[in-house]
Amino acid sequence: GAVVSQHPSWVICKSGTSVKIECRSLDFQATTMFWYRQFPKQSLMLMATSNEGSKATYEQGVEKDKFLINHASLTLSTLTVTSAHPEDSSFYICSVPVGENIQYFGAGTRLSVL
Amino acid sequence: QKEVEQDPGPLSVPEGAIVSLNCTYSNSAFQYFMWYRQYSRKGPELLMYTYSSGNKEDGRFTAQVDKSSKYISLFIRDSQPSDSATYLCAPSPPGRRALTFGSGTRLQVQP
Repeated sequence: GAVVSQHPSWVICKSGTSVKIECRSLDFQATTMFWYRQFPKQSLMLMATSNEGSKATYEQGVEKDKFLINHASLTLSTLTVTSAHPEDSSFYICSVPVGENIQYFGAGTRLSVL
Repeated sequence: QKEVEQDPGPLSVPEGAIVSLNCTYSNSAFQYFMWYRQYSRKGPELLMYTYSSGNKEDGRFTAQVDKSSKYISLFIRDSQPSDSATYLCAPSPPGRRALTFGSGTRLQVQP
């Protein structure tokens, strides 16, 4: 399957700081990438769709000013959690769609906000 | 009603058992049916991919889709401790859209 590199795998930060998470598609050019969030023992919930060359599309209830998405190139999307708070602690995962419906996922980033 | 309902876990079975994991869905537009396996604190890994109704086999894994009843299943034969993970079903309509996941079933295969 396609290789999706996500970095960092784990980050701990102080409340009020910003954290940037990178998602790279190593095998495919991706005009679209998806960002999901997963709380413990829950399923993945879509946060936003990252679009190369245009603004991201956010799901209802996701603050676009808090979760900044930049799709800088056909192989890189970044998610920045601004002014992070403990309730933002979660597992963030990106995915790259390949073909019609298959998606390949990054390894995920565990964010812990103290 | 949730768009995708998945049997709750955790499910604990002895090594070598046949495991049946199931999901139901409500959206008739779903045409593609994926099963992902997720190990603890890792991203989901694509396990099986099926289009429309029918069966698909890959080694010890068999995916089954019944669109008439909107029911999808994943069977694991000769289960191994390394199969212990959370299994997520993800049906999808055509087009490059984000996936709607079931809640996941946590499987524990006891050696």
